[in-house]
Amino acid sequence: AQSVTQLDSHVSVSEGTPVLLRCNYSSSYSPSLFWYVQHPNKGLQLLLKYTSAATLVKGINGFEAEFKKSETSFHLTKPSAHMSDAAEYFCVVSLSNTDKLIFGTGTRLQVFP
Amino acid sequence: NAGVMQNPRHLVRRRGQEARLRCSPMKGHSHVYWYRQLPEEGLKFMVYLQKENIIDESGMPKERFSAEFPKEGPSILRIQQVVRGDSAAYFCASSPPIPGGSYEQYFGPGTRLTVT
Repeated sequence: AQSVTQLDSHVSVSEGTPVLLRCNYSSSYSPSLFWYVQHPNKGLQLLLKYTSAATLVKGINGFEAEFKKSETSFHLTKPSAHMSDAAEYFCVVSLSNTDKLIFGTGTRLQVFP
Repeated sequence: NAGVMQNPRHLVRRRGQEARLRCSPMKGHSHVYWYRQLPEEGLKFMVYLQKENIIDESGMPKERFSAEFPKEGPSILRIQQVVRGDSAAYFCASSPPIPGGSYEQYFGPGTRLTVT
């Protein structure tokens, strides 16, 4: 069975400091991994995706994530937080041969001025 | 190219009534997914449909919930005899017909159902 675990339910950073949102996955097969962002009362937007190409994946708005098979991790990072980054972030896994997405429980990112 | 459209955006129903949620996928997309997000939780998969076919309904409650994606028109998620526990945000996603691999799902803005 596939699952993702987001290790922090809340993360708070100051504007201009680095962001690290942690995610570990469990999958019997080669997974596809995604990070989605959800702003309050809005839909979900794809930040980036890993599909067995380069292990370091660059996404939108300066975010990137590194797939580490040995650690079964797919942590999301950004060098410098912006106020507009405050949102809920979801780590997501899907199997290459199935279609449904399996969401983590989310990490709420707060950015202080 | 319009994104995934869902309507209504907000729906209030009394206990025992029916709720119908609509989803129009992006142009050219033939795969539709429904997810439910309970308050303070992540999204949970409900059902995956292609035109006129239910492919995977493993996440659908056994009773009161049904979904369809007809040849013409939007996909419909129908909840009969709603209860307070059905209050949630329901998201639809669509993807293009790429066989065999994972691909991006594009999400709509969601329908927020409140059962009073």
